Amino acid sequence: GQNIDQPTEMTATEGAIVQINCTYQTSGFNGLFWYQQHAGEAPTFLSYNVLDGLEEKGRFSSFLSRSKGYSYLLLKELQMKDSASYLCAVRSGGSYIPTFGRGTSLIVHP
Amino acid sequence: GAGVSQTPSNKVTEKGKYVELRCDPISGHTALYWYRQSLGQGPEFLIYFQGTGAADDSGLPNDRFFAVRPEGSVSTLKIQRTERGDSAVYLCASSVSGTSGNEQFFGPGTRLTVL
Repeated sequence: GQNIDQPTEMTATEGAIVQINCTYQTSGFNGLFWYQQHAGEAPTFLSYNVLDGLEEKGRFSSFLSRSKGYSYLLLKELQMKDSASYLCAVRSGGSYIPTFGRGTSLIVHP
Repeated sequence: GAGVSQTPSNKVTEKGKYVELRCDPISGHTALYWYRQSLGQGPEFLIYFQGTGAADDSGLPNDRFFAVRPEGSVSTLKIQRTERGDSAVYLCASSVSGTSGNEQFFGPGTRLTVL
């Protein structure tokens, strides 16, 4: 099985930078996804990491360290609309099915 | 519409009843996934189709749950003898294929309430 751990809730100020961490324990790691989910809406894809390092995409970046079982999502220049749940999902072994963490609820305030 | 669609958006039923939830994936996507999500939790995997066949149904909680995708496109999730614990948002997702880093595109979900 997989054990995925994320903080339950974080708060940050508009315009600031926030880092959302995700740690996982799995065998046969095969990729990590980050999704954004606004309340009452479907998750939308943000990033995919399978190799170590930083992937940058506009205001959002995602980092992976396979040896540490660790990833983070970095959000820069926070906007109010970034208030949402951020889901970390890990794929492992021969399965193509990502297992989702509980998600981190990010609250951005003025 | 280019996205994944699900019907109905909301379904209220009584304990013991049968329900069907429908998913229309993005045209051309061969992989289709069903998840369910409870409040404050991440999506929980139920079943994965590659084409018409269920490639992985290990997430179905018991034999009251069944899903089909007869023509490799639309899928129906069927729940028999519903229980109050089945209340959740049922999400469907599709991807170009089930392999590699293909992102999943999620539908808006069906909110199922069992009274």
